[in-house]
Amino acid sequence: AQSVAQPEDQVNVAEGNPLTVKCTYSVSGNPYLFWYVQYPNRGLQFLLKYITGDNLVKGSYGFEAEFNKSQTSFHLKKPSALVSDSALYFCAVRAPTGGGNKLTFGTGTQLKVEL
Amino acid sequence: EAQVTQNPRYLITVTGKKLTVTCSQNMNHEYMSWYRQDPGLGLRQIYYSMNVEVTDKGDVPEGYKVSRKEKRNFPLILESPSPNQTSLYFCASRQGTGGHSGANVLTFGAGSRLTVL
Repeated sequence: AQSVAQPEDQVNVAEGNPLTVKCTYSVSGNPYLFWYVQYPNRGLQFLLKYITGDNLVKGSYGFEAEFNKSQTSFHLKKPSALVSDSALYFCAVRAPTGGGNKLTFGTGTQLKVEL
Repeated sequence: EAQVTQNPRYLITVTGKKLTVTCSQNMNHEYMSWYRQDPGLGLRQIYYSMNVEVTDKGDVPEGYKVSRKEKRNFPLILESPSPNQTSLYFCASRQGTGGHSGANVLTFGAGSRLTVL
């Protein structure tokens, strides 16, 4: 069975500082990995994904994530945080074939960026 | 604008009163899915559909029904709602169902907050 772990319920960072939101996964085969963001009273919005190729993936709003196969991690990063980045972030994993292409989400990490 | 539309956005109901949450997408997507979001549990899949008349259970299907009579619509039905179905519900869709379509991005609706008293 595939699974995702987001070990931090909340991450606090000062505006202008770098941020990291952690994600580790478990899946058979090579994974498809995604990050989504949820702003208050909104649906989830796609940030970035890793399918294959370069381990460093760049996405929307200046976010990036690094795929590390040996550590089964896909941490989300941004060099300089903004107050407007404050939101709930979800990591998700999917096995490339089978199982209805099921997408399994982590429990989410609340990012709070303060002035 | 490409979007997934859910209705109602907010609903308070009582135990046992049947309700339907509608979901419609205008992107001609084959795959549609329903999730519920609960604090500390993230998003859990309720049902999904690979195409018209093709539906299957997700991780938490108990107490829910779905139908897919048209490609654009995927309603979620609670025949006899109970308080443990109080949650935030999301409908989502994506293009394709075969091969490596799993790499395609899910588009989510804005969510439907349901309270069952």
